[in-house]
Amino acid sequence: QKEVEQNSGPLSVPEGAIASLNCTYSDRVSQSFFWYRQYSGKSPELIMSIYSNGDKEDGRFTAQLNKASQYVSLLIRDSQPSDSATYLCAVNTNAGKSTFGDGTTLTVKP
Amino acid sequence: GAVVSQHPSRVICKSGTSVKIECRSLDFQATTMFWYRQFPKKSLMLMATSNEGSKATYEQGVEKDKFLINHASLTLSTLTVTSAHPEDSSFYICSAAGDLNEKLFFGSGTQLSVL
Repeated sequence: QKEVEQNSGPLSVPEGAIASLNCTYSDRVSQSFFWYRQYSGKSPELIMSIYSNGDKEDGRFTAQLNKASQYVSLLIRDSQPSDSATYLCAVNTNAGKSTFGDGTTLTVKP
Repeated sequence: GAVVSQHPSRVICKSGTSVKIECRSLDFQATTMFWYRQFPKKSLMLMATSNEGSKATYEQGVEKDKFLINHASLTLSTLTVTSAHPEDSSFYICSAAGDLNEKLFFGSGTQLSVL
């Protein structure tokens, strides 16, 4: 079992729809959770971080964390073609060292 | 957010030569930096953790004598690919933790092509 698992996709949604990206992790002592966006040929950029159970909203993005279920998700509302990218889920257990999922490729169709 | 600068962005070299990649944190001090490589359409593979003033910690399967890491200051880490071969061709990315909450800020990456 991988430490951090994501649906590889590709996930395709129409413009304006909600895109839902999911991630599960295996280590129960994980404390910090991150979502990164990576455009093709570019390096990842941080879009959301979450540390406690519940929802965290930032603009069109909402991260959801459920530590009991070892599950973290990212919702993108009003999806835009510019959101088309690979989204990487990352989980920290040891200070500063992130374990990444393989990423979910999202395509938003105009 | 914090800025991490990585240079060069692209390098093409002949087989057998060495290539140095620099990673700088521009507006914060990074005690720890990380080096990754990424193949097309694959996820990030952590190669090593670079600690200022001490030896780097390499992940299993990564040759420390081939991928030399130096973290001489709180703002600069370098990765040197020694005696590069075509199979070393990849996208190399560095990152640094921007704060105690361990968010990572990434350099822009270096596309290495070994002929």
